[in-house]
Amino acid sequence: ETGVTQTPRHLVMGMTNKKSLKCEQHLGHNAMYWYKQSAKKPLELMFVYNFKEQTENNSVPSRFSPECPNSSHLFLHLHTLQPEDSALYLCASSQGKGAGANVLTFGAGSRLTVL
Amino acid sequence: AQSVTQPDIHITVSEGASLELRCNYSYGATPYLFWYVQSPGQGLQLLLKYFSGDTLVQGIKGFEAEFKRSQSSFNLRKPSVHWSDAAEYFCAVGAVQGAQKLVFGQGTRLTINP
Repeated sequence: ETGVTQTPRHLVMGMTNKKSLKCEQHLGHNAMYWYKQSAKKPLELMFVYNFKEQTENNSVPSRFSPECPNSSHLFLHLHTLQPEDSALYLCASSQGKGAGANVLTFGAGSRLTVL
Repeated sequence: AQSVTQPDIHITVSEGASLELRCNYSYGATPYLFWYVQSPGQGLQLLLKYFSGDTLVQGIKGFEAEFKRSQSSFNLRKPSVHWSDAAEYFCAVGAVQGAQKLVFGQGTRLTINP
């Protein structure tokens, strides 16, 4: 399998549920990202991991908890979400440094609906 | 901090017609510039990028873009669109310093009339 794979593609959860989004990349990249895409808003960078270390947290509420066990896998743990958190969550990866660090490869996204 | 403006939210063109999507950026130095395309239900796919050198860059699917420093623009063009080009297009700017913080525009939705 190649590229960036996200699971599940669709998720519906209640406000009291706990769920996780998973991302896996097979590109040999060292950086991984979570972006949030809401209707009529620009993509919002949430988290960046470089070589498994978190290097960016863009003031994301603590109900979103990322985990990066290795350079190929990234999780987003979700708990006590709000309806306004409903969005498409996109995972991306890139090289860890140099100009290639700006060239992102995206997964297909996980469509989250919070009831 | 860098920012990106895509003035057109929605554009409709006829199949076979030429296309130009506008992108203006704000950044204090020479930026890295990108165009991505997103088909319904999919993630973003890189069309082309500008890092340095020739200001006219070629991308996939017959697209090209021109970096104009004096106008702070990076417009995307295609001489003849196909129905399969219907999608949402995003311009993005990255800082040479402080990489890994791509800032995206709000996107332009392209509709193709048969």
